[in-house]
Amino acid sequence: QKEVEQNSGPLSVPEGAIASLNCTYSDRVSQSFFWYRQYSGKSPELIMSIYSNGDKEDGRFTAQLNKASQYVSLLIRDSQPSDSATYLCAVTRDYGGSQGNLIFGKGTKLSVKP
Amino acid sequence: DGGITQSPKYLFRKEGQNVTLSCEQNLNHDAMYWYRQDPGQGLRLIYYSQIVNDFQKGDIAEGYSVSREKKESFPLTVTSAQKNPTAFYLCASSIGSDQPQHFGDGTRLSIL
Repeated sequence: QKEVEQNSGPLSVPEGAIASLNCTYSDRVSQSFFWYRQYSGKSPELIMSIYSNGDKEDGRFTAQLNKASQYVSLLIRDSQPSDSATYLCAVTRDYGGSQGNLIFGKGTKLSVKP
Repeated sequence: DGGITQSPKYLFRKEGQNVTLSCEQNLNHDAMYWYRQDPGQGLRLIYYSQIVNDFQKGDIAEGYSVSREKKESFPLTVTSAQKNPTAFYLCASSIGSDQPQHFGDGTRLSIL
């Protein structure tokens, strides 16, 4: 069974700090990686996509991918209370008859304290 | 505005009843998906469709059925065979099967 693992948290950081969210995955052939933000009671919202090794920055968010270590992370700079949410890591399932479908981690709950 | 519309927002099912959740998208996406989310859990794939008139079972398809007669629509029926249907149901779509998926607002299903 291919898996995506995340620390469930809660991860608590003070306002203005950097929040670091981590994700490991078991399928070595996975090609595409996504981070979603989910506020309590709401649906997931895509915030970052990353496809190649290295860093990808978008505003206050930076996604980092290391395929050799099967590790993807999300950094949130200058964290705000509005960033308090659960962050879901998703990885493509690139094998068998369900290629391209996503496997989701259970999410890390982030709390940003004013 | 382009997007994914799920209805109803809340749904209650009686014992032995089938219920249908609606999902419509106007993004011209080929692929559509249904997920189930239980409290504190990740998303689990129920069914997916990569093209009109074709769909495949996901990881937890038992007790559910779908159809894909139109590109825009991918309704999910929760049958009476699904003994634990209480969950948050999410519909998503993407341009292709390996592209980012975008979600509707979800339907919360409960048992009466």
